[in-house]
Amino acid sequence: GEDVEQSLFLSVREGDSSVINCTYTDSSSTYLYWYKQEPGAGLQLLTYIFSNMDMKQDQRLTVLLNKKDKHLSLRIADTQTGDSAIYFCAEGSGTYKYIFGTGTRLKVLA
Amino acid sequence: GAGVSQTPSNKVTEKGKYVELRCDPISGHTALYWYRQSLGQGPEFLIYFQGTGAADDSGLPNDRFFAVRPEGSVSTLKIQRTERGDSAVYLCASSTRGAGELFFGEGSRLTVL
Repeated sequence: GEDVEQSLFLSVREGDSSVINCTYTDSSSTYLYWYKQEPGAGLQLLTYIFSNMDMKQDQRLTVLLNKKDKHLSLRIADTQTGDSAIYFCAEGSGTYKYIFGTGTRLKVLA
Repeated sequence: GAGVSQTPSNKVTEKGKYVELRCDPISGHTALYWYRQSLGQGPEFLIYFQGTGAADDSGLPNDRFFAVRPEGSVSTLKIQRTERGDSAVYLCASSTRGAGELFFGEGSRLTVL
């Protein structure tokens, strides 16, 4: 079945760039999403990319998609302490059922 | 309301008891989803409603779990004879249609003692 994998932890210094990686298995995925979850809060959509795109940039966020390797990454430029959270990669094939990864906990050190 | 609202935010119950969790989606959103997030895991799909009907309940773990959405707006997730393994955060989300961006509530944390 479909599977989405992420590394569990990432620690960076404030001001550095963060890169969070994700691999997925479903080649029919149409949309790939990045969600952010802060402590005690619901998931918030950060950005998404269509499967026919290689890159998408949105302010400090850059999403790269390597469809051949089924690899997705999220780069956060100039990482701030407020970026500390859990980041989930999710895939959707254009239907209602989304498959989420286990999440990457980003810790930003001041 | 402005966002997806879930109640209660926290629920502690004893093994074997019955629990109801409520979700009030964003006004006008026809699609509603329930996900379950266990500790250290990503959300797992439980059930999807389009309007009043459950279009896909394949994620419900067993027949102790049931969800309704009688008027196409508020939904209730019902868990009978709760077990300790049911402890998790139950997330509700809604969207304007059956795809695209999901808007999540803050979740209901269920603890079964």
